[in-house]
Amino acid sequence: GAGVSQSPRYKVAKRGQDVALRCDPISGHVSLFWYQQALGQGPEFLTYFQNEAQLDKSGLPSDRFFAERPEGSVSTLKIQRTQQEDSAVYLCASSSRDLRGEQFFGPGTRLTVL
Amino acid sequence: QKEVEQNSGPLSVPEGAIASLNCTYSDRGSQSFFWYRQYSGKSPELIMFIYSNGDKEDGRFTAQLNKASQYVSLLIRDSQPSDSATYLCAVGRSGAAGNKLTFGGGTRVLVKP
Repeated sequence: GAGVSQSPRYKVAKRGQDVALRCDPISGHVSLFWYQQALGQGPEFLTYFQNEAQLDKSGLPSDRFFAERPEGSVSTLKIQRTQQEDSAVYLCASSSRDLRGEQFFGPGTRLTVL
Repeated sequence: QKEVEQNSGPLSVPEGAIASLNCTYSDRGSQSFFWYRQYSGKSPELIMFIYSNGDKEDGRFTAQLNKASQYVSLLIRDSQPSDSATYLCAVGRSGAAGNKLTFGGGTRVLVKP
């Protein structure tokens, strides 16, 4: 059906606030990835879920970053006590078991921390 | 040294010409290779993927992979102004669904009418 959706599309937070970013993957896609893209750079891997299991969180930059996917579909990336360096576009991608690793990206959430 | 390297550009090509983009990677265990196109302010869009040495053609796009030399390239034939975008090379360690990707910084392409 529809592609990957993300909300909100834009988020402005004051330094120190907590934020929650949502990702709704393509229906039936078991794999879900979060990436962070700074201005002028390529996306950088944050974390990966297979169904509800978080199998790789090696890219999360600090313990302020937390992700979950409790029912194996929608995922939430939470950032606590936001800092200015957290300002970036947060991209969600999903992939199907039938594919050989091709990932399809959502529109992203642009986070600006003031 | 970055794991995936691309020339940042901009690569300026006249309309109708061939645009040639290159990407090198450092992990010899890489198994899957992707090209994404990203328009300004938009998210990456998958345009090509390749897993085996050699060439793979899809419409005006050709991906080339040489694992021995650890490079992958993208050719865009008959370039159009709508091809103006940043092209991201991405590399994965496996060819399966749980395949985290490492991206290069992207090459900006400008196609001039």
